[in-house]
Amino acid sequence: AQTVTQSQPEMSVQEAETVTLSCTYDTSENNYYLFWYKQPPSRQMILVIRQEAYKQQNATENRFSVNFQKAAKSFSLKISDSQLGDTAMYFCAFIGAGSYQLTFGKGTKLSVIP
Amino acid sequence: GAVVSQHPSRVICKSGTSVKIECRSLDFQATTMFWYRQFPKKSLMLMATSNEGSKATYEQGVEKDKFLINHASLTLSTLTVTSAHPEDSSFYICSARRSGRATGELFFGEGSRLTVL
Repeated sequence: AQTVTQSQPEMSVQEAETVTLSCTYDTSENNYYLFWYKQPPSRQMILVIRQEAYKQQNATENRFSVNFQKAAKSFSLKISDSQLGDTAMYFCAFIGAGSYQLTFGKGTKLSVIP
Repeated sequence: GAVVSQHPSRVICKSGTSVKIECRSLDFQATTMFWYRQFPKKSLMLMATSNEGSKATYEQGVEKDKFLINHASLTLSTLTVTSAHPEDSSFYICSARRSGRATGELFFGEGSRLTVL
């Protein structure tokens, strides 16, 4: 069974600064996908970024980038130039390539301070 | 991007009544949809996997007679909470996987907050 661990229940960052959220996972599969989802106070789950395990290049989406270390099974999210609208719960998630089931971490509550 | 819509977004009902929540994929077909339950400040807990045209697969500890799931078409899954009790009060979220796409990505609905009085 896969597990996803987010060791930081809460974090805060000053507006315009950079913050990194950590995520580790455990799996015996070689081909899989990793995601970071954002859940703002509205509760809508929004995909922030996706990484395919067979791609060595780290995914980037505007101010969001990941540091994917496959051997270490680590998948951290870096948010640059933090904005007030980034305040949300962030969930790291894993899905095997042949699977339908998404496994979530427990989440990290990020607060951006003006 | 793909859009998943849930309705209603909020519902309040009396104990003992049944409540139906709909999950629709608006611009794509979804062979498989998922229903989650989320407690305050907690992660999403998968309740069941809804497969179009067949019976849902429930996670361990989830009562299938309590939480009825029907996936009658490729764009609609419904969750019915039967004989609701106050402990069923929660935030329920659905997600859908686009048929034929192997990206792994799931698209989420806006969620439905159920309050049972």
